[in-house]
Amino acid sequence: DIQMTQSPSTLSASVGDRVTITCRASQSIDRYLAWYQQKPGKAPKVLIYQASSLESGVPSRFSGSGSGTEFTLTISSLQPDDFAIYYCQYYYPYFWVFGQGTKVEVK
Amino acid sequence: EEQLVESGGGLVQPGGSLRLSCAASGFTFRSYEMNWVRQAPGRGLEWLLYIHSGDGTTSHADSVKGRFSISRDNAENSLFLQMNSLRAEDTAIYYCARVRWGGHMDVWGKGTTVIVSS
Repeated sequence: DIQMTQSPSTLSASVGDRVTITCRASQSIDRYLAWYQQKPGKAPKVLIYQASSLESGVPSRFSGSGSGTEFTLTISSLQPDDFAIYYCQYYYPYFWVFGQGTKVEVK
Repeated sequence: EEQLVESGGGLVQPGGSLRLSCAASGFTFRSYEMNWVRQAPGRGLEWLLYIHSGDGTTSHADSVKGRFSISRDNAENSLFLQMNSLRAEDTAIYYCARVRWGGHMDVWGKGTTVIVSS
C-alpha cells in the first residue's frame, strides 16, 4: 500500500512568510495528488488538484508542484486566513490515501 | 448552490448499527462518484468508502471491510453509509464528499458526528 508522509507536522510562521509543505509518497506515484485546507470545526476544502491545478476560487498565493515521490504545497505570502491544517491526498483507482496533516500556526 | 448535508449521526453502543444519509442538492447527483470520509477526534482524515455514479462499483478501506457499506439512490439524490458492528474507534465526524476526475473531492458536507460508547 502507498503511504503518504507530510512534513513538517507543525509549522510556525508569520503573516507574509513563504510557506512550503511537503508530501512524500512511499513509492513513485502519478500526479493524482490533491491538497486540502481544514479549519477547526469545518469540512476540508480542496485547494490544489492533480498536483498543480488551482481549484476555482482559491487564491493564487497557493500553488502545488512535484512529481514522482515528492510533492509540495506553497503559500507564497501567508495571510491571517491561512492558519489551518493542510492535508495531501493521493488517489489511485479506486482508493484514496491522506497524509497525516500539517498544522500551520502563528509564530 | 452545490450542497451536501449529512444526517443520522448520534450515540450508539459498541456492537450497534447506524445508517448515515447524505442529501445532495444543486448539482446532478447521478453524474458524480461519491466518497465517505471520517475524522476521529483530534485526528486526520481517513477515506472509508467509494461508490460509482451509476454502475454500482464500490471500494472500501481495510478498516471498515465487512462492517460498513455504501449505497446510493440517484432518484432521491441521496448517499448512504450503513455501519454495523460499531467500535469505540469508529467515533468520528463522518463526511460525504463529491469526487471529481482525478480523485479530488470538491464538495463536502459539514459532517455528522457518530459516538460509539456504552
